[in-house]
Amino acid sequence: EAQVTQNPRYLITVTGKKLTVTCSQNMNHEYMSWYRQDPGLGLRQIYYSMNVEVTDKGDVPEGYKVSRKEKRNFPLILESPSPNQTSLYFCASTLSTYTGELFFGEGSRLTVL
Amino acid sequence: SQQGEEDPQALSIQEGENATMNCSYKTSINNLQWYRQNSGRGLVHLILIRSNEREKHSGRLRVTLDTSKKSSSLLITASRAADTASYFCATSSDYGQNFVFGPGTRLSVLP
Repeated sequence: EAQVTQNPRYLITVTGKKLTVTCSQNMNHEYMSWYRQDPGLGLRQIYYSMNVEVTDKGDVPEGYKVSRKEKRNFPLILESPSPNQTSLYFCASTLSTYTGELFFGEGSRLTVL
Repeated sequence: SQQGEEDPQALSIQEGENATMNCSYKTSINNLQWYRQNSGRGLVHLILIRSNEREKHSGRLRVTLDTSKKSSSLLITASRAADTASYFCATSSDYGQNFVFGPGTRLSVLP
């Protein structure tokens, strides 16, 4: 089954404790992206990747890191989480940004205390 | 920078009525897409319209695109309670580098 899998789905952590949210897709997609969703603000893009070893900042990259060492995986790293990073995070992928639809994971709800 | 802006922010209608949502954007696009999100879940793709297309249909959905006005509309005909969700437009830039989403329209269809 074609899917984008995120883990963990729910996480409560404390300020400053490094964490990684994993994202994996099984569709051989080149493009992958991370978004955060906050009430009233819609989806804001954090980082995106056009292919392996090619990443770029979205609208709200501060406090986040990503890597794309393999085509299928695009982890989101919070080196030192802060309460303002409490949010619902989505990973998405597509074969082509010209013609393709985005496939979304089910989301990861992160709370930073 | 935010590209798509949906309008209205919230819409409440009776079952059987039509729902229209609008999206405006700022720069040249390659395509525009509409997505649906049930509360707290991942977004699901509804329909894609390319910059050289003016109208597209899919079931009860009709999408229009006016590139001169940099706007699009999504029409859901004969709405059902199950259509209750948030709807987002997303634009892919002219160079196909990126997707940018608007803040969404929250649709409530009352039975």
